[in-house]
Order: sequence, then C-alpha cells, then structure tokens
Amino acid sequence: AQSVAQPEDQVNVAEGNPLTVKCTYSVSGNPYLFWYVQYPNRGLQFLLKYITGDNLVKGSYGFEAEFNKSQTSFHLKKPSALVSDSALYFCAVSSLSGAGSYQLTFGKGTKLSVIP
Amino acid sequence: SAVISQKPSRDICQRGTSLTIQCQVDSQVTMMFWYRQQPGQSLTLIATANQGSEATYESGFVIDKFPISRPNLTFSTLTVSNMSPEDSSIYLCSGRDRGNYNEQFFGPGTRLTVL
Repeated sequence: AQSVAQPEDQVNVAEGNPLTVKCTYSVSGNPYLFWYVQYPNRGLQFLLKYITGDNLVKGSYGFEAEFNKSQTSFHLKKPSALVSDSALYFCAVSSLSGAGSYQLTFGKGTKLSVIP
Repeated sequence: SAVISQKPSRDICQRGTSLTIQCQVDSQVTMMFWYRQQPGQSLTLIATANQGSEATYESGFVIDKFPISRPNLTFSTLTVSNMSPEDSSIYLCSGRDRGNYNEQFFGPGTRLTVL
C-alpha cells in the first residue's frame, strides 16, 4: 500500500523568509508526487507535480519541490514566503503499479502560517 | 484543467435524512472520485465513480450508505444516506483530465453538518 507522511502539523515562518514543508512517501513502483493547497472554505488547488525528469519541479505561485529518490522525499519550498501563502498544504502520491493504480493517497496536511 | 462545481456548497441536515450532492465538470473527464475530509483531517477516498456502471468503493464505505451515480462523463452525484452526526464532513468531488492520467482537480467541496 502507498502512503504519505507529513511530519509537521504546523509550520510557522516570517514573511520574506524561505519556507519548507516536508513530505516523505512510500510506494511500490515509480512514484507520481503532487502538492495541493487548500485555503479556508475552499477546495484543493493543484500546485505542482513530479512525474519524471528533473528532480526540481517548479509550480504555481513561486513554489517548487525537490524529488529525492534515495530519501523518498518531496519537500515543498519557496524562497520568500508571503502572508497570502498561509493555508493548508497536502502532499499526495500515486503509482502506476499495484492495486489502486492512479489513485491519489494524501498526507494529513501541514498548516502553514506566514507571520507578517 | 477542468473546472468542477458542486451543489450544495453547504447544508445542515437532521439525523436519519439523506442528502444528494451534485458534481458538474465543465469538460469530459475519464475518472471521477468522491472524497471525504473530516474536520482537521486529510482526504479519504470514498469511491471511484464509473460511467455507466456501479461505483468502486474503498474499504469502509458501502453503496447502501453512499450511493453514487455517474450518468455521463461530466456529471456525478453522491448521496449520504440515513445520516448521523458522524457524517458531518466536507465532501469533495474530483476528476482527472482525459488527456492526463496523473493530475487531479477538485471541486470546492460540500460542507455537511448533521444534527
């Protein structure tokens, strides 16, 4: 079975500072990795994905994520945080092999608070 | 990517009643999914809505409690039957682009409160 771990329930960062939201995964086969953001009372919005190719993936709103196969990690990063980045962030994984192919498995989410 | 709308956006219901949530996509999608997000929790997949056939349910979810319809490639409904307070949750519809098997997009969710 595939799984995702987001070890931090909450991350606090000062506006203008770099931010990192951590994610590790477990799958059989090659992983497809995603980050989504959820603002209060809204659905999930897609930020970025890793399918294959360069390990550094750039996405929406200045976010990027680095795929590290040896550490089975896919941490979300942004060089300079904005107050408007405050939201709930979900990491997700799917895989082409095994039962449940193409189904997304989500982490529990990390609440990001950017302090002015 | 496609845009998904859901109706209702929120509802407050009495115990023992049923609520049907509608999900409309503005383009055809190969796969549609229904998720539940309980307060402060992550997303849990309820079922995959299959066009023209019975939905595929995940462990812990059954058709009698969560009947699903998908009459075409742009529309699906989820019914929460015989509701109890434990069903209070956000219900999210999701779809996957026909041309892209990996990226899913989500509706705004339906916030359900059962009294």
